[in-house]
Amino acid sequence: NAGVTQTPKFQVLKTGQSMTLQCAQDMNHEYMSWYRQDPGMGLRLIHYSVGAGITDQGEVPNGYNVSRSTTEDFPLRLLSAAPSQTSVYFCASSYTQGTGQPQHFGDGTRLSIL
Amino acid sequence: AQSVTQPDIHITVSEGASLELRCNYSYGATPYLFWYVQSPGQGLQLLLKYFSGDTLVQGIKGFEAEFKRSQSSFNLRKPSVHWSDAAEYFCAVGGLETSYDKVIFGPGTSLSVIP
Repeated sequence: NAGVTQTPKFQVLKTGQSMTLQCAQDMNHEYMSWYRQDPGMGLRLIHYSVGAGITDQGEVPNGYNVSRSTTEDFPLRLLSAAPSQTSVYFCASSYTQGTGQPQHFGDGTRLSIL
Repeated sequence: AQSVTQPDIHITVSEGASLELRCNYSYGATPYLFWYVQSPGQGLQLLLKYFSGDTLVQGIKGFEAEFKRSQSSFNLRKPSVHWSDAAEYFCAVGGLETSYDKVIFGPGTSLSVIP
């Protein structure tokens, strides 16, 4: 059982480039989310999804797009990377969030924008 | 503003000493409450959770937490700390009245353990 898989683990981009961070889970979880982690700020919610075809914004959605075409996958897109988006990104999943189910986290993607 | 606070940015304790990490939230209703631990370079692992019932909950690795509605707190405790407990600890809140599906994290408390 792989759990939550994030790729790539590390990435360096130049300002203005675009890229997609991949997230896949094999637990048939309905709820998936993306966080960014910055020193002293904990994890901040970027976007989340309560099921295929449904997404919503979190605390810091600007500069990021998401889609949820399948239950398993929840990619995060940076359309035009900026240095302020240098961070560690975590994807997480759980059963329906409304029941208070805990989230399972991936190992993170460390992204640097030059 | 709605928020999750962890007043202690960094705590240092001696091995074998007791530990309490503080967490407060400012939401009106009783949310779901979680504590996660993050070891260096790793993702987050759930320690324990609360969403109803007994206000004292037991978790993994000998941790427990107590929900106090009157204080809007969910403090994490461990009676005797081990060197392997050194990590970053995050309190999280879900089931928010403004957005039931969101989970919001506090800024974290970094724990160092002195041999």
